[in-house]
This record gives sequence, C-alpha cells and structure tokens, in this order.
Amino acid sequence: AQKVTQAQTEISVVEKEDVTLDCVYETRDTTYYLFWYKQPPSGELVFLIRRNSFDEQNEISGRYSWNFQKSTSSFNFTITASQVVDSAVYFCALSVRWGNNDMRFGAGTRLTVKP
Amino acid sequence: ETGVTQTPRHLVMGMTNKKSLKCEQHLGHNAMYWYKQSAKKPLELMFVYSLEERVENNSVPSRFSPECPNSSHLFLHLHTLQPEDSALYLCASSYRGLAGATSTDTQYFGPGTRLTVL
Repeated sequence: AQKVTQAQTEISVVEKEDVTLDCVYETRDTTYYLFWYKQPPSGELVFLIRRNSFDEQNEISGRYSWNFQKSTSSFNFTITASQVVDSAVYFCALSVRWGNNDMRFGAGTRLTVKP
Repeated sequence: ETGVTQTPRHLVMGMTNKKSLKCEQHLGHNAMYWYKQSAKKPLELMFVYSLEERVENNSVPSRFSPECPNSSHLFLHLHTLQPEDSALYLCASSYRGLAGATSTDTQYFGPGTRLTVL
C-alpha cells in the first residue's frame, strides 16, 4: 500500500524565517514519483515539483529547496526567507505507477507566515 | 484561457436539485480527474478518465455521475446530494503516455468549485 504522511498539521513562522515542511512516504514499488503542491486560499492546487525515485539530487528553485532521501523515505520541502505570500496549505503526494495516475496525497501542512 | 478552468466557482444547492460542474483543460492532456476536498480530510480521488477509460473510486455514491465527452471536457453531474457532500471539488488533468512512450504524469489542477448543499 502507498501512504504519504505529513506530520505537521500547522506551522506558523514570522516573515524571513526559514521553514521546513516534512513528508514521509511508504511504498513497495521501486519506481515512483513524488510531488509537492501549494494550495493558496483561492483553492487551486499549484504544482511545485516532481521528483522520480531514481533521482536523489536535491533541487533548488529560488527560495524553495527539496531534500529527497530514499534511506529515510522522506521528501522534505524548505522555504528560505519566508514571505507572507507563502502562506498556504502544502501537499506532498506520491504516484507509484507510470500511467496509473493513482496519486496519493498527504493530509497537508498549513503554513502561516506572519509579517 | 490557459490551464484548467472550472465553472461555477461557487454553487449552493438544495438536496433535491440537479446541477452539473464543468471542467475544461487547455493543456493538450488526455486524462482528467475529479477530486473531493472536505474539511480536515485528505484529497479524495473520485473519478479518472484516461485514454477513454473510466476508473472510479468504489466508495463514491451514485448521486455523483461523471461525463467526459472528449479529452478536454469533464462534467460532474450532481443529484439528490446530502449536506455532507459540501466540499471543494477539484478537477485535474495530465498527459498519460502510451506504453513505452514518454509522459509527464504530473496533474495540473483547476481552481475548484466550492459546493454547499443545504
């Protein structure tokens, strides 16, 4: 069975602080894909990143960075120098079969960045 | 229009009404999805249309009926809903490649329809 756990339900930080959102996944498949989505108050899920199981390189995109570690089944997301506009619910997701489209989402972490 | 669009954005209906949600994707994708997002619950996949096949979550009640007339349009027909069906309904699309072909499989979401059932 596939499962995604986001243990942090809510996080509150002050602007310019760094914040890390945790994601732990479970799967027996050797080929899988991990995703992060952002859901601002408007409701739309915005795609942030996709990472396949064969690529453990960390990725940085501006203030966003992702740390993928197969040894701990984690795919954590760090926002550096957070801003108020980063306030949203962030979802981690797992897709285990190419073309199966059965994407499993975590429960989400609500991030509030205060000015 | 670009991306994935959904109409209406907000809908209030009584339990005896019949309404439909509409989704349209402008990304050239060939798979479309309906998700339900209730308060304090994980995103729940309701239906998938992929390569003209429909896959559904067996726990979805029959009062929800999807329709996918082509790869760009997806509908969710609603009838005799219950108050617990109140939720945000999200549509998504992706490109699902044929066996051996390259595909992204990343799902792109619309803004959702906020449904309230009275």
